[in-house]
Amino acid sequence: DAKTTQPTSMDCAEGRAANLPCNHSTISGNEYVYWYRQIHSQGPQYIIHGLKNNETNEMASLIITEDRKSSTLILPHATLRDTAVYYCIVSTPAGSYQLTFGKGTKLSVIP
Amino acid sequence: DGGITQSPKYLFRKEGQNVTLSCEQNLNHDAMYWYRQDPGQGLRLIYYSQIVNDFQKGDIAEGYSVSREKKESFPLTVTSAQKNPTAFYLCASSIVGGKNTQYFGPGTRLTVL
Repeated sequence: DAKTTQPTSMDCAEGRAANLPCNHSTISGNEYVYWYRQIHSQGPQYIIHGLKNNETNEMASLIITEDRKSSTLILPHATLRDTAVYYCIVSTPAGSYQLTFGKGTKLSVIP
Repeated sequence: DGGITQSPKYLFRKEGQNVTLSCEQNLNHDAMYWYRQDPGQGLRLIYYSQIVNDFQKGDIAEGYSVSREKKESFPLTVTSAQKNPTAFYLCASSIVGGKNTQYFGPGTRLTVL
């Protein structure tokens, strides 16, 4: 059973904010939401994670709904280098091996 | 520079041959992982290790073997028993009990002819 649901693909104009949604309606109380991205033919790169509060770092912001059933990753000013597949994953820190990568969302940043 | 290295980037083998993929990390991480990725698909866990001399099977361990004799190294052997070995192989590492942030290597693309 997939724990997360993401759109297959999205486009975003260069310089605009990219908002990537993720549904995780069966998330349990101790599970975090993690976001990774994978640029073509490279290894995935960690972006951000959160439990229930919104989080921000130098790469992105993570907005988690109050019921924790969905979240949105925001890239505030998308560049061409942000073109990648973005994976939304739910997991518990204790189970560090349980990162299940689905097919993710293919984000294309367009000049 | 700390990080994870995988070598080689591209590897070609004949069908029926075993092949070993290298993964080394200098991040002082206890946990290491091997994933397989097929075109257009997500990553699937092959094996993981949380401590030296110990490792566990992931979701698709059949046809693969690993060893963890040193903290820094976690080589993966693709045996002739693996029916569809052509794929992109990714190694990762993390601390145990931390934020669950896995750091990935650049990957090895294996093609079996």
